[in-house]
This record gives sequence, structure tokens and C-alpha cells, in this order.
Amino acid sequence: AQKITQTQPGMFVQEKEAVTLDCTYDTSDPSYGLFWYKQPSSGEMIFLIYQGSYDQQNATEGRYSLNFQKARKSANLVISASQLGDSAMYFCAMREGQGDYKLSFGAGTTVTVRA
Amino acid sequence: DSGVTQTPKHLITATGQRVTLRCSPRSGDLSVYWYQQSLDQGLQFLIQYYNGEERAKGNILERFSAQQFPDLHSELNLSSLELGDSALYFCASSQRTGPANEQYFGPGTRLTVT
Repeated sequence: AQKITQTQPGMFVQEKEAVTLDCTYDTSDPSYGLFWYKQPSSGEMIFLIYQGSYDQQNATEGRYSLNFQKARKSANLVISASQLGDSAMYFCAMREGQGDYKLSFGAGTTVTVRA
Repeated sequence: DSGVTQTPKHLITATGQRVTLRCSPRSGDLSVYWYQQSLDQGLQFLIQYYNGEERAKGNILERFSAQQFPDLHSELNLSSLELGDSALYFCASSQRTGPANEQYFGPGTRLTVT
């Protein structure tokens, strides 16, 4: 079974607007972490934001925020005030358990920001 | 720049050959992970090392092997290469402290098997 599901293969957003990328996850472990990574066309994977399963508040990092709905098992990424440089592939990932364990990735969502 | 280095950046080789991909983790990171990114399989975890010891294994083929050396750099060896092994291979590293234990990825090695 898929641990991470990203249902939007591609999205277009106008510059300066906000965009929400969907991510749902599946785990029976009460302790887990959710991550978002950005992969520009150059190929590198850039860590954006983290949300722990026990965190009471939604994570925010600059223009990135994570809309964490634990009961619905969703961890959507919101990018506010989109910039042309935000055009990239975005991956949602999950680590099950506390500690330095492997990440399971979704299929990714391609975001294209239009001027 | 994540601080994780990988060499080479690109590798083109023929079927049946053997190649070695090299990774140096961020300073102070003891955990090293290898991932494979391909069009059909997406991003898949291969193997993890912690301070020289194998810690976890994922979807790694028997033709593939890895090790982590005392200086903490890691190598991924791919042998008897097939066309389907063409992919982007990432190394990532993390510290074992803090709640996030976020993994920082290297720039990847793009392997093309012809």
C-alpha cells in the first residue's frame, strides 16, 4: 500500500498567488514525521519543512506552511506569494518512528509559476 | 548547498559493467542514506548506514552493495548493470539529534546505462 499519496501530478499558479499541494499519508505508527522537499529542474532535493506527529501547531518556514490534519492523515503544503523560482517538483515524504529512519516519498507534484 | 557531496555527477556506462558512486555526508552527520529516483519507480530508499554499520535495507537489488568507511564517506557499488538501472542516485545524510532528523540530499549522480 502507498504510504504517501500526492494526487496532483501538475499545477499552475500565478505569480504572487498562494498554492496548496495535497499530501495524504498512511501509517499505524503513532510517532512519525512528515517532510516536504523541492526538486528544481537542476535535480537537487531541497528540504523545505517538517511536521512531527505530536506537534500541536502547524509548521511554518518563511513562505511555506504545512496544513497538518492528523485525523484526516493529510499534510498539505501551502506556498504563499508564489515566485517564478518556486517552479519545481515538490515531494511529500514520511518517516515512521522517531530517529534517523528512511523516508518514504510520494510521486510528487510539479508546480509551474506563471508571470 | 546542502553540504553533502556526490561524485561523479554524471556516469554513462554499458550493460554488464560495474560502477561505484561516492558520497561524503555533511560534517558531523553519522547517518548516510542512498535513494534511487527513476521515472517508473519514483524515489525509493535503497540502504542506510550509521557510523559504519548497515542500519536498514530497502528495495536494493542483490547486484547492488554499499559501505560506509571510517571517515564516514559512503560508496554504492552497482554491478552487472542493466538498462533499467538508469536513474538518479541520491545520497542523503542526517544527524541523530533533534526531533526532525531531516535528511539533507546531495546533488545526485545521474547514471545512464546504454
